[in-house]
Amino acid sequence: DGGITQSPKYLFRKEGQNVTLSCEQNLNHDAMYWYRQDPGQGLRLIYYSQIVNDFQKGDIAEGYSVSREKKESFPLTVTSAQKNPTAFYLCASSHDRAGANVLTFGAGSRLTVL
Amino acid sequence: SQQGEEDPQALSIQEGENATMNCSYKTSINNLQWYRQNSGRGLVHLILIRSNEREKHSGRLRVTLDTSKKSSSLLITASRAADTASYFCATDAGDYKLSFGAGTTVTVRA
Repeated sequence: DGGITQSPKYLFRKEGQNVTLSCEQNLNHDAMYWYRQDPGQGLRLIYYSQIVNDFQKGDIAEGYSVSREKKESFPLTVTSAQKNPTAFYLCASSHDRAGANVLTFGAGSRLTVL
Repeated sequence: SQQGEEDPQALSIQEGENATMNCSYKTSINNLQWYRQNSGRGLVHLILIRSNEREKHSGRLRVTLDTSKKSSSLLITASRAADTASYFCATDAGDYKLSFGAGTTVTVRA
């Protein structure tokens, strides 16, 4: 089955630690995204990548870093510089559907800072 | 930046009733999409309407788009318990970045 796999599903971090969230897709999609979701709020874009070895900052990139070394993988590192990292993180990939960008999401990773 | 704003924030209906939610946005778009999110899960794409379309149907879903008012509505007919979820509109301005609203939480009572 094609899809997006995010891991871990739950993650606990002590303040001052960096953590990396994994995102793997086997959909052969070119573009991949990371969104952050806080309770009762919509999704805010952290980073996105349209092709391998290239990525752009979204609206809330501060305190986060990404890499895109392979088409299938787009890991997100939440650094100690992120002031309020506790949130639900969603990875997505997209394909062009006749000029429209439609997203397929993973199941999410919930990060809690202790 | 979050462009879409959904209204209402929450909606509670009886099974079999229709549910209507609205989305307003601020800038020009190529298309507008609706997604569903079950509690604690990822989002699932429901339907897409392009800027040159006014209405679209998919099963029990009906979407309208009024570009002059920069607004869209999603209607779910004959609701079921399984429709309980949060619904998000997302605007696509053609720049590879979808902007999501805060969502409408729909509860369908048995």
